[in-house]
Amino acid sequence: KAGVTQTPRYLIKTRGQQVTLSCSPISGHRSVSWYQQTPGQGLQFLFEYFSETQRNKGNFPGRFSGRQFSNSRSEMNVSTLELGDSALYLCASSLGLGGTDTQYFGPGTRLTVL
Amino acid sequence: AQTVTQSQPEMSVQEAETVTLSCTYDTSENNYYLFWYKQPPSRQMILVIRQEAYKQQNATENRFSVNFQKAAKSFSLKISDSQLGDTAMYFCAFMKHAAVIQGAQKLVFGQGTRLTINP
Repeated sequence: KAGVTQTPRYLIKTRGQQVTLSCSPISGHRSVSWYQQTPGQGLQFLFEYFSETQRNKGNFPGRFSGRQFSNSRSEMNVSTLELGDSALYLCASSLGLGGTDTQYFGPGTRLTVL
Repeated sequence: AQTVTQSQPEMSVQEAETVTLSCTYDTSENNYYLFWYKQPPSRQMILVIRQEAYKQQNATENRFSVNFQKAAKSFSLKISDSQLGDTAMYFCAFMKHAAVIQGAQKLVFGQGTRLTINP
């Protein structure tokens, strides 16, 4: 089975712009979770989608949003970019059935905001 | 809220040695799962090992094993016969149990331990 894929792998944006990141889960996985990784804050949960519905959300401002499509692919959008949004954005897919629902990660998208 | 603490920011050992990475966590939950993930310099996060809190037996995966002490809220990772390819950041993570309807729960990560295996 193919693993989790994320595109693009690298992005450079300037303050005030917006960006969209994409994640394709492992075939058969219906849940996609997004995490932000920074040297200062570590790994922090952004949100989780299952069957096109956001089920869980972390403590991030409304500038961070996402969606999921019927094929389980997910996109994450950040509007009005700030310097502090520079980070590695990881998505993880899982079956989404609760219990021992192991999450498998993609390679990440490295976002740099100038 | 749950917290995960990894008290060793960096560790370095020689190839073939055994190394133990520490992790403690704080939670009021009784049913949960613990994970060790590895993030090599290429940055792909890889699952190393998983432990269900209701299982008393410690999980093992080849050269990787854990020492799970539920009462002490401790979850250490032992790597035996370490190899150069084990060089990576290692993250300990906690996830509480959830019913199907609640969906995938968030992983709560520690700050990580940077492990270097020297030739």
